Amino acid sequence: DQQVKQNSPSLSVQEGRISILNCDYTNSMFDYFLWYKKYPAEGPTFLISISSIKDKNEDGRFTVFLNKSAKHLSLHIVPSQPGDSAVYFCAASYGGSNYKLTFGKGTLLTVNP
Amino acid sequence: GAVVSQHPSRVICKSGTSVKIECRSLDFQATTMFWYRQFPKQSLMLMATSNEGSKATYEQGVEKDKFLINHASLTLSTLTVTSAHPEDSSFYICSARLGGAGGRSTDTQYFGPGTRLTVL
Repeated sequence: DQQVKQNSPSLSVQEGRISILNCDYTNSMFDYFLWYKKYPAEGPTFLISISSIKDKNEDGRFTVFLNKSAKHLSLHIVPSQPGDSAVYFCAASYGGSNYKLTFGKGTLLTVNP
Repeated sequence: GAVVSQHPSRVICKSGTSVKIECRSLDFQATTMFWYRQFPKQSLMLMATSNEGSKATYEQGVEKDKFLINHASLTLSTLTVTSAHPEDSSFYICSARLGGAGGRSTDTQYFGPGTRLTVL
C-alpha cells in the first residue's frame, strides 16, 4: 500500500517555464511534507518542506502548495532551468512515526534548453 | 550546513566478504540516522533507523544479522553488509536527522551521497 504517490513518472518542460510536480498521499496522519531532488548515483538533496498548518511555503524559485482536504501537494519551480533536471521525490512524516519519512516513487523532470 | 558524508562511494567485493559503509554528519550532531537502499528506477527503501547509543530498529523484511548497524557517536553510523552476495548489490544511502527542540522541521533528513556496492 503506497501511502505517498507520485503518479507522473516523468515531466518535460521548456527552460523558463513553470514546472509543476504533483504528489498525493493517503495517510491522513501525515503532517509534514518534504521535497527532495536527486541526481543519478547521488543522495537526495533537501529542497523545501511544509507543515500541515500551512498551505504554502516559498523559497526562491521553489514553492510548495498543500491541499489537506484533497491530500495533495505540489512543487512549483519558476522559472525552470536545465540544471533542475533530476528526479524529484515527495516525502511525508507524522508525529509518532519516529521521524521516518515515507517517499513517493519520484518524478523525472527534464528541462529543455 | 547539514552536510552528510558517506565512505566509500563505491565498493566492489567478492561474494562472502563483509563490507562496511560509514555515514558521518559533518557539521551537526545527529541523534538519529537512517539507512536506505535504492534499486534502479525505484524509490528509497528504508532499511533501518539508527539511534545513537542504542540498537537499531529494522524495517520488516530486513535481516538485522546481515545488515549490522552501529551508531557509536552523534556523528557516525556504520552499516556492515555481512557475507555479501550478488543480490546485495545496490545503492545504499544514509541520512541524518537534524535534532533539536521544537517544530516538525526536525523531521527533515539530510542525505549522504550514497555508496554503490557491487558484489561479484
